[in-house]
Parts: sequence; structure tokens; C-alpha cells
Amino acid sequence: AQSVSQHNHHVILSEAASLELGCNYSYGGTVNLFWYVQYPGQHLQLLLKYFSGDPLVKGIKGFEAEFIKSKFSFNLRKPSVQWSDTAEYFCAVSPGAGSYQLTFGKGTKLSVIP
Amino acid sequence: DARVTQTPRDKVTEMGQEVTMRCQPILGHNTVFWYRQTMMQGLELLAYFRNRAPLDDSGMPKDRFSAEMPDATLATLKIQPSEPRDSAVYFCASGLTTGSYNEQFFGPGTRLTVL
Repeated sequence: AQSVSQHNHHVILSEAASLELGCNYSYGGTVNLFWYVQYPGQHLQLLLKYFSGDPLVKGIKGFEAEFIKSKFSFNLRKPSVQWSDTAEYFCAVSPGAGSYQLTFGKGTKLSVIP
Repeated sequence: DARVTQTPRDKVTEMGQEVTMRCQPILGHNTVFWYRQTMMQGLELLAYFRNRAPLDDSGMPKDRFSAEMPDATLATLKIQPSEPRDSAVYFCASGLTTGSYNEQFFGPGTRLTVL
């Protein structure tokens, strides 16, 4: 079974700082990769996804992620965070074919200080 | 703007009572998922349906939980009898899955508190 590790439980940054959240997965086959964001008290919203093609994926709100197959990683980045980015971020993986279930990481809580 | 809807949004009940949560997937989506979110375990997949057929319910305690999809516009998750350890936020998600394509859209969740 696949698993997802998010290295940081809680990250605290000042506004305008750069962000990188780590995500590693364990699964030997083709994968689909996702980053979801959950604002306080709200449901999960898709930030970006990778199915195939260019390993550098751009999402909404200025976020991007890079799929590095050799490292089984899909790290999330943003060059300059804003206070409104305060939320919890979840990395998720799904097998590329045959199963549609998502396995989520434990999440990383991001707090941005004005 | 199509959205997944869930009812109720909040439910407080006493141990031993039956709880039914409902989900209306986005029209045209063929796959529905039920997740549970807790502080300790994070997000866990309970069950999912594709074209209304249950594909995987291995994450669900079968003695008390049941999931059904009586028609394409309604999915239900039932707990009977409920226990305090069932307290969590239950999310429904839907997606249009085909081949290797799998993108899920989440509902607002049902916050369940079992006293």
C-alpha cells in the first residue's frame, strides 16, 4: 500500500518569505500526485495536480510543485507567502491506474505572520 | 459553480444512536468517496463508489458503518450504533474518473460529535 510523508508538522513564516513544503511518497508504480489546502473551518480545495508530462506543475494562488521521480518527492513551493495562505496543506497520492483512492499525508499547518 | 453538498453540517448525538450523513455529488461525476478526518489519524478513506458500485470499503469498520449509493445523486454513510470514538469530520468527495484520471472535489464536511 502507498504512504505519504509530510516532513513538517507546523511551519511559521513571515509575509513575503518563500515557502517549500516537503512531500515524499512510497509507491513503486505510476502515480498521480495532488496538493490540497484546507483553510480554517473549511473543506479541502485542490491547489494543483500532476498526472503526467511536465514535472513542474503550476497551481492556483501562485503555488507550484515539482515531481522528482527519482526522489519520490512532490514538494510544494511559493516564492512569497501572504497572510491569507495560513492554512493546512495536504499532499496526496493515487495510483496511476486501476484504483482511484487518495492516500493523504498527515498535513502541514502553515502560519503566516503579518 | 457545481459543488458537492453534505448534510447535516453539524451533528451532536449520544452514544448508541444512529447517525446518517448524506452527500450529493456533483452532477455527472461517476465516483464518490467518503473520508474521515481526525486530529490523530488525519484524513482516512472509508469507502468509495464508482458508477454507484462499491469498489473499496476496507477502511470502514463494518460492524457499525455502512455506505450506500441509492441513486446517482445521493450517497449515504450510516453509523449504528455510534460511539464517542466516531467523533470526527466526515467528508464526501466526488470526481469524474476515467482511465488514470482522478481528481476529487470535496464537500464541506459533516462534523459529528458523539457524547
